[in-house]
Amino acid sequence: SSELTQDPAVSVALGQTVRITCQGDSLRSYYASWYQQKPGQAPVLVIYGKNNRPSGIPDRFSGSSSGNTASLTITGAQAEDEADYYCNSRDSSGNHPHYVFGTGTKVTVL
Amino acid sequence: EVQLVESGGGLVQPGGSLRLSCAASGFTFSSYWMHWVRQAPGKGLVWVSRINSDGSSTSYADSVKGRFTISRDNAKNTLYLQMNSLRAEDTAVYYCARETPVNDAFDIWGQGTMVTVSS
Repeated sequence: SSELTQDPAVSVALGQTVRITCQGDSLRSYYASWYQQKPGQAPVLVIYGKNNRPSGIPDRFSGSSSGNTASLTITGAQAEDEADYYCNSRDSSGNHPHYVFGTGTKVTVL
Repeated sequence: EVQLVESGGGLVQPGGSLRLSCAASGFTFSSYWMHWVRQAPGKGLVWVSRINSDGSSTSYADSVKGRFTISRDNAKNTLYLQMNSLRAEDTAVYYCARETPVNDAFDIWGQGTMVTVSS
């Protein structure tokens, strides 16, 4: 099965921009989705498809992709953006649909 | 309100069984693929299993294949995960999640139910 690799942790100053990356072979075939998870809470979808935000997600969240790498950018990070972020995609291996999550990135807002 | 509510978690001995349920409301359950995702304490998210909208097709992570069975009852708007031959490494919060019709994203998640496998 495929793997999706993320940096374990990044930090960003309040109001600045941070980019989180996700690398994996499956991203050459499928879009990544991105999820925000705060302690003790369920994950929340923040970006899906080419660069789509579900209703209620601020427009400071954006996504992009190139080759085997997907990125989530937070432009003008806020204190409430401090959380764990996971990428996810369909797995390109196997006959039946499988899915894979990234290793997760902890974002700290300074 | 679109909602998923899991239940059925608890403490079980190694080798034991447990059945999780996920009750859906606020949307046409029978139109969506559904998934189970788990998260061990202090660890990341791991995809477990998926079922298509009418229940005719399923898939599993290698770590649970042959031990777990996903199913659904569209008349009851409920998703299930039957877990057999449980191991300590199955200890996790189990989430059910809805897949969007396109782009393979999980747009609605339940609050999770904790499964602890220990003697």
